[in-house]
Amino acid sequence: SQQGEEDPQALSIQEGENATMNCSYKTSINNLQWYRQNSGRGLVHLILIRSNEREKHSGRLRVTLDTSKKSSSLLITASRAADTASYFCATERKAAGNKLTFGGGTRVLVKP
Amino acid sequence: GAGVSQSPSNKVTEKGKDVELRCDPISGHTALYWYRQSLGQGLEFLIYFQGNSAPDKSGLPSDRFSAERTGGSVSTLTIQRTQQEDSAVYLCASSPPGARETQYFGPGTRLLVL
Repeated sequence: SQQGEEDPQALSIQEGENATMNCSYKTSINNLQWYRQNSGRGLVHLILIRSNEREKHSGRLRVTLDTSKKSSSLLITASRAADTASYFCATERKAAGNKLTFGGGTRVLVKP
Repeated sequence: GAGVSQSPSNKVTEKGKDVELRCDPISGHTALYWYRQSLGQGLEFLIYFQGNSAPDKSGLPSDRFSAERTGGSVSTLTIQRTQQEDSAVYLCASSPPGARETQYFGPGTRLLVL
């Protein structure tokens, strides 16, 4: 089974609204990362949060990590049509080297 | 600079044929990863190369799958006797020695096995 499980599976919002998606995982991690994927092709790294961090910001992105609940959230503020994509969380598990375990993704549609 | 490149972009093959997928990582990146993404799903780890160390093959789904990395750079993923369930997008990623946490992905190869 996948380490990361995301919800919702799909999200539809209006431009300007905020989008929030969540990721849960099962085992101890070194870090958790969020990636964006457009049109089912290459992934783009968005943000990384380490296991000793609780919150991180990058532009319109805000990521939180709660290691006690083994969960993370990604917030995109003031969404734009260009934010339409699939968003994946990925965990780097302890003692698993640098390979990543991905969740199933959240498909976000931002309507203009 | 140039990113990770993969070839071919798309590959259609018949069941039972062998296919080779190529990945050119970013110059200087010592780590290289292969993932598989089935339609509408997340990525599934396949294999990981790090420098001259033995590769981590723990994600390869069967012995029909193999990969090699020549000269610490280009990598080839080979699928022998392809099956319809091998149809997926195969993604390659690389990461630099000083920042192995972040992976840079190529555009992927979309494989369709008829």
